[in-house]
Amino acid sequence: EVQLLDSGGGLVQPGGSLRLSCAASGFTFRNNAMTWVRQAPGKGLQWVSSISPSGNNTYYADSVKGRFTISRDNFRNTLYLQMSGLRAEDTALYSCAKTRGDQWLISFWGQGTLVTVSS
Amino acid sequence: DIVMTQSPDSLAVSLGERATISCKSSRSVLYSSNNKNYLAWYQRKPGQPPKLLISWASTRESGVPDRFSGSGSGTDFTLTISSLQAEDVAVYYCQQYYTTPEYSFGQGTKLEI
Repeated sequence: EVQLLDSGGGLVQPGGSLRLSCAASGFTFRNNAMTWVRQAPGKGLQWVSSISPSGNNTYYADSVKGRFTISRDNFRNTLYLQMSGLRAEDTALYSCAKTRGDQWLISFWGQGTLVTVSS
Repeated sequence: DIVMTQSPDSLAVSLGERATISCKSSRSVLYSSNNKNYLAWYQRKPGQPPKLLISWASTRESGVPDRFSGSGSGTDFTLTISSLQAEDVAVYYCQQYYTTPEYSFGQGTKLEI
């Protein structure tokens, strides 16, 4: 059974940093591209970042480029999102997601971890 | 960027009746080399993560009831629930993966009884 367990969220002040983790199980993690998606309160889904199976290729939404870093540990089956320079508008539920296929279709989502940026 | 626009924003349908949700993309998500539409539909129930219902605009995922169907091509797509059940109450999102991994989602349609 595929499982994605998101963690690391919390309350952080503007300008602060946070690292999110996503522990994966139930599939061959190193074979799948992975993605972070967020949903701000009362808003829709927004793609944040993706990473290739090897970790050699990373992609970011313009809104987080230069502030967030996605990475993965294929030995620990864990996905990360290092967030710095956090802003109020980054407040959201952050979910990691597993993709499948060459087109990186998002096929399974974690429950998410809540990040609140506030003073 | 491809902008995805769903309509309506919310929808109330009686049990057993048909529910129809529209999704329009600002440009075509049909890839001409393989004639596939890079369009997915997700269902998000309260307190749960989104669940993939349909990929390639019309291919149901394993285990998804056949009352759910997707149709359309190019820029105009539809999710239809043929006979609404109580457990179908959720927010439904369309998503394009034509410009993967720079995905974009519709704003969501809240479906109620």
